[in-house]
Amino acid sequence: AQSVAQPEDQVNVAEGNPLTVKCTYSVSGNPYLFWYVQYPNRGLQFLLKYITGDNLVKGSYGFEAEFNKSQTSFHLKKPSALVSDSALYFCAVRDPSDYKLSFGAGTTVTVRA
Amino acid sequence: DADVTQTPRNRITKTGKRIMLECSQTKGHDRMYWYRQDPGLGLQLIYYSFDVKDINKGEISDGYSVSRQAQAKFSLSLESAIPNQTALYFCATSDATGMGETQYFGPGTRLLVL
Repeated sequence: AQSVAQPEDQVNVAEGNPLTVKCTYSVSGNPYLFWYVQYPNRGLQFLLKYITGDNLVKGSYGFEAEFNKSQTSFHLKKPSALVSDSALYFCAVRDPSDYKLSFGAGTTVTVRA
Repeated sequence: DADVTQTPRNRITKTGKRIMLECSQTKGHDRMYWYRQDPGLGLQLIYYSFDVKDINKGEISDGYSVSRQAQAKFSLSLESAIPNQTALYFCATSDATGMGETQYFGPGTRLLVL
């Protein structure tokens, strides 16, 4: 069975500071990993994904994520957060042999001016 | 994503009523999904369809049914709505070709069952 954990319900940072949203996963094989963002009253928007290759993945809006196989983690990062990054962030994992995408519970990010 | 639309965006209904949520996509994807989102639980898969003739139950299909009317349309029905079906419902699509297919989501339908 595959699963995702987002250990922090909320992350608060000041604008201009680095932002990190944590994600750990459990899957039997090599994982496909995804990050989505949900702005208020909007659907989930795809940010980035890891399939294979370089452990550092770059995505939309200046976000990046680092795949760490030994720690089974896929943390989302942004070097300098903006107030407009305030949103709900979801990590998701899929076993390549399966159709199912499993989501974490989400982390609410608040960036204060 | 404007390529995936959902109607209605908001709906209030009463216990026991039958309602239908609709999803349309212009992305040309074969695969479509229905999820519900509850606070603190992430997204849970209700039903999925890999093509018009292939419909499958997800994790939480009890109390729901679906119809895939065309490649571009996938509807979710609540046959007899109950209050614990109050949630945010999302439709998603994906393209089966290539590695690590990405799911693209609609804007959601907020449903309140009284």
